[in-house]
Amino acid sequence: ETVLTQSPGILSLSPGERAVISCRASQTVSSSYIGWLQQKPGQAPRLLIYGSLRASGIPDRFSAGGSGTDFTLSISRLEPEDSAVYYCHQYGTQPRTFGQGTKVEIK
Amino acid sequence: EVQVEESGGGLVQPGGSLRLSCSASGFSFNNYAMHWVRQAPGKGLEYLSGLSSSGRTTYVADSVKGRFTISRDNSKNTLFLQMSSLKPEDTAVYYCVKGLGSAIDYYVMDVWGQGTTVTVSS
Repeated sequence: ETVLTQSPGILSLSPGERAVISCRASQTVSSSYIGWLQQKPGQAPRLLIYGSLRASGIPDRFSAGGSGTDFTLSISRLEPEDSAVYYCHQYGTQPRTFGQGTKVEIK
Repeated sequence: EVQVEESGGGLVQPGGSLRLSCSASGFSFNNYAMHWVRQAPGKGLEYLSGLSSSGRTTYVADSVKGRFTISRDNSKNTLFLQMSSLKPEDTAVYYCVKGLGSAIDYYVMDVWGQGTTVTVSS
């Protein structure tokens, strides 16, 4: 099983700043099979990015990168609505796995 | 609009059974793999099971293997999760999720339902 470890656990930033979330895999994963999800309180997760592509309706403030075992999600020009928990996800090997989540707080 | 909607959750005693349903709309259901993911209270996401568009290929996580069975009825655009021998640790919100392709492997899960809550308690 591919374990995904995210850091930091909590990120507290001001509007307009940039958030960077790290996701480290226990074994090599093709970047094509890394996705990022956003979950707001009381809501279902929503797909943000898969591979190098943004899901429909996702603003270009969200971007992802990385390779091998290290991947990142960047959120530029933070807005209050970006307050949420973010999960990385790999779907290159079974079982599909998720990181433990990073909470982004907007001050 | 592409949508999936879960139903069938509720309170069940340990050892009991429950069948979850997921009704799909807005897309050609028989062309896409479907999946179940759960989230225990205050916890992260756990992948449970996937089923290919044809229904011929499945994956079931070890944590629920032998107790949970995924199935689909393409004529009714509906996905199911039959759960038996339920344990308190199965308490969670269960999400139905659409895959972006027909196979259970290598395609991201792109559309999530709102979830249905299962509580296993005496």
